[in-house]
Amino acid sequence: NAGVTQTPKFRILKIGQSMTLQCTQDMNHNYMYWYRQDPGMGLKLIYYSVGAGITDKGEVPNGYNVSRSTTEDFPLRLELAAPSQTSVYFCASSLAGDTNTGELFFGEGSRLTVL
Amino acid sequence: DQQVKQNSPSLSVQEGRISILNCDYTNSMFDYFLWYKKYPAEGPTFLISISSIKDKNEDGRFTVFLNKSAKHLSLHIVPSQPGDSAVYFCAASLGEGKSTFGDGTTLTVKP
Repeated sequence: NAGVTQTPKFRILKIGQSMTLQCTQDMNHNYMYWYRQDPGMGLKLIYYSVGAGITDKGEVPNGYNVSRSTTEDFPLRLELAAPSQTSVYFCASSLAGDTNTGELFFGEGSRLTVL
Repeated sequence: DQQVKQNSPSLSVQEGRISILNCDYTNSMFDYFLWYKKYPAEGPTFLISISSIKDKNEDGRFTVFLNKSAKHLSLHIVPSQPGDSAVYFCAASLGEGKSTFGDGTTLTVKP
């Protein structure tokens, strides 16, 4: 059981370049999330989705875009990369419904450096 | 304004002793509180949670206590083991699984 899979694990971008971080989950979870973690800080929510075709902004959405065309996939798009987007990005998923205790299942992370 | 705070960036304890990690929050609407453990170069993994209507939840060596009047929760690990050395994040959930995280506490358990 793969759980939540993120690619790539590492990437270096030049300022102004664009890229997409891929995330896929095989647990049939309706809810998916993108978080970023800066050094010495907690995780901050960028975007989330409660199901295919539905996305919404989190705490720090500027400079990012997402789409959710299937239950399994939730890619995060960075347009015009800036040094402030240097961070570790985590994709997560959770179960929807009355049993949702907020428990998140995380991928291993994608470390992005913008130079 | 940070809604979830972990005021101790680090904690060091001897193997076999109790580890107590603390967390404070400001929003009384949070419905679940969770603790995650994170090793370097890995994603966080869920450890234990507590509903806002409870005051204690126990799972093996891990116990979480919630004091709603003080808006404070704590994670107790007894006995602590060297493999428990990691960063521990406190998180609070507010519907649709959206969680707000503290900045983490690095626990070091010395043999």
